[in-house]
Amino acid sequence: ETGVTQSPTHLIKTRGQQVTLRCSSQSGHNTVSWYQQALGQGPQFIFQYYREEENGRGNFPPRFSGLQFPNYSSELNVNALELDDSALYLCASSPVSGAAEAFFGQGTRLTVV
Amino acid sequence: AQRVTQPEKLLSVFKGAPVELKCNYSYSGSPELFWYVQYSRQRLQLLLRHISRESIKGFTADLNKGETSFHLKKPFAQEEDSAMYYCALSPRGSTLGRLYFGRGTQLTVWP
Repeated sequence: ETGVTQSPTHLIKTRGQQVTLRCSSQSGHNTVSWYQQALGQGPQFIFQYYREEENGRGNFPPRFSGLQFPNYSSELNVNALELDDSALYLCASSPVSGAAEAFFGQGTRLTVV
Repeated sequence: AQRVTQPEKLLSVFKGAPVELKCNYSYSGSPELFWYVQYSRQRLQLLLRHISRESIKGFTADLNKGETSFHLKKPFAQEEDSAMYYCALSPRGSTLGRLYFGRGTQLTVWP
């Protein structure tokens, strides 16, 4: 059984650019959630994907978007990057049973300069 | 709206001392509560959840609906308990792993 993997681990982008972060969910999990963790803060829920459809969204603007693929892997896209988007982005997958327990990846550290 | 509050950003105790990490929540319904832990250079992982009523690594947490609290306790802290601890809430009915986190408490256990 493989865990949640994210790529890349680190990324530096310029303000105004676009970025795509990737996540492979844990084997057997069909739900993926994305979180943003700013320095010194707890993770904040961005959105969740279940069976390739967005299933709930936190308080984030539309320039944050996502996709889920048939193999349950997922992408997080952020357009028009702002300096405040600098954060650790975490992906978490949940088991098919729908339990609220989430399994996290190691995260992608995004720096916007 | 749901909110999770961890009033202590930093907490230090000596090895063998009791430790309590505080967590209060606000939510109009009946939530699921969790404690997640992040050891140095490791990923965020589940420590325990209130519905399990388990003791994990000597830690316990009791949901107090009257005080809307879910404090994490351990009677005798160990150096390996040093880590970042996050309290999290999942609204019932939303299912599927949507979590709302507190800001975290950094626990340091001194030898």
